[in-house]
Amino acid sequence: AQSVTQLGSHVSVSEGALVLLRCNYSSSVPPYLFWYVQYPNQGLQLLLKYTSAATLVKGINGFEAEFKKSETSFHLTKPSAHMSDAAEYFCAVSNSGGSNYKLTFGKGTLLTVNP
Amino acid sequence: DADVTQTPRNRITKTGKRIMLECSQTKGHDRMYWYRQDPGLGLRLIYYSFDVKDINKGEISDGYSVSRQAQAKFSLSLESAIPNQTALYFCATSGMTEGGDTQYFGPGTRLTVL
Repeated sequence: AQSVTQLGSHVSVSEGALVLLRCNYSSSVPPYLFWYVQYPNQGLQLLLKYTSAATLVKGINGFEAEFKKSETSFHLTKPSAHMSDAAEYFCAVSNSGGSNYKLTFGKGTLLTVNP
Repeated sequence: DADVTQTPRNRITKTGKRIMLECSQTKGHDRMYWYRQDPGLGLRLIYYSFDVKDINKGEISDGYSVSRQAQAKFSLSLESAIPNQTALYFCATSGMTEGGDTQYFGPGTRLTVL
């Protein structure tokens, strides 16, 4: 079984401030981990993914995430928030390898960026 | 053109009506998925298909059925719609890429059941 917990359903930052969105996972096998972003009235777009290569993963729009096995975490960060980053962010986990490619999503974190 | 398309984008219907949501993809992927999104609940998997002859229930399949008409088409049906099926529905596709599997999402269908 696999699960994802996103800490904080709503995060608010000022423009130019650090963005930190938290994700913890549970998986019985080595996981693949993903961050998706959903802009208003749009579908989900992949930001970045971890697939057992480098533990620090860089994604689009200046976002990055670090896989920490000891903490079962995959937190998303961006050094300086921009107004265009306002969106909902979803962390997701799937099982690596095998025949199970289903994603399990967290409940999402809504990011608000204040001017 | 979008790789994953969904029709309709918006639909309002009445309780008891049969509704079909359609998904098409041009990515050549074998795997297709249907999710529903509710505020505060994230995305939950309804059905998934790993190829044309393979259909599997997800975590919330009750009240829904699917049809995989071709590799590129995967439809979701609500046999008798009820108000708590009001939600945003997403189709997704995936294919094996180096090191892992990435799902690509359509733009969503907003369904309202009155």
